[in-house]
Amino acid sequence: DSGVTQTPKHLITATGQRVTLRCSPRSGDLSVYWYQQSLDQGLQFLIQYYNGEERAKGNILERFSAQQFPDLHSELNLSSLELGDSALYFCASSADTVGTSGGASDTQYFGPGTRLTVL
Amino acid sequence: GNSVTQMEGPVTLSEEAFLTINCTYTATGYPSLFWYVQYPGEGLQLLLKATKADDKGSNKGFEATYRKETTSFHLEKGSVQVSDSAVYFCALSRPKLSFGAGTTVTVRA
Repeated sequence: DSGVTQTPKHLITATGQRVTLRCSPRSGDLSVYWYQQSLDQGLQFLIQYYNGEERAKGNILERFSAQQFPDLHSELNLSSLELGDSALYFCASSADTVGTSGGASDTQYFGPGTRLTVL
Repeated sequence: GNSVTQMEGPVTLSEEAFLTINCTYTATGYPSLFWYVQYPGEGLQLLLKATKADDKGSNKGFEATYRKETTSFHLEKGSVQVSDSAVYFCALSRPKLSFGAGTTVTVRA
């Protein structure tokens, strides 16, 4: 058990709809990361939040957005869903202490994922 | 930018065989290097890591050494079991975690 929790485990919805995925990081971790894993694209980094603020952006579509709340949990919002958005969505967290250059604090711990199916 | 190139699979082995999965990286600075494993139907789990040159990470019989001179972090296990069947991802940190494409390993009894 990594200590990172994600809900829901499975989500089935229709095209055009909007869904929210939730992530709670490990106790004490300030950074939250979102990833998408699909068969054709592999594991893609979407976005990172650090202590409530966006820190890094990857291959995140404009239809997708995320936020991190004061209690450090994060939500990933996916809107105007398309069939191609069907994938596993993972959240990860790390301590990510500012100023380190490769120490153990940048290790990311992954949640079990949310499987999204768009019909 | 930083990137990871990982040996393509799939790899199929018999139980007790020796496993090597090659991983090379391109990076500026001194990133940490990681191997993650994803068992069927599960999320990614950290298998081992190394934070500086010549460090050896090890866990569950797996080992990998951070080789700066060859920019490599190859994963090895001397005697695999059926339970090692999984997808293995090499990754490096800084500025963000960059993953290889993953190598699917199947171990047959």
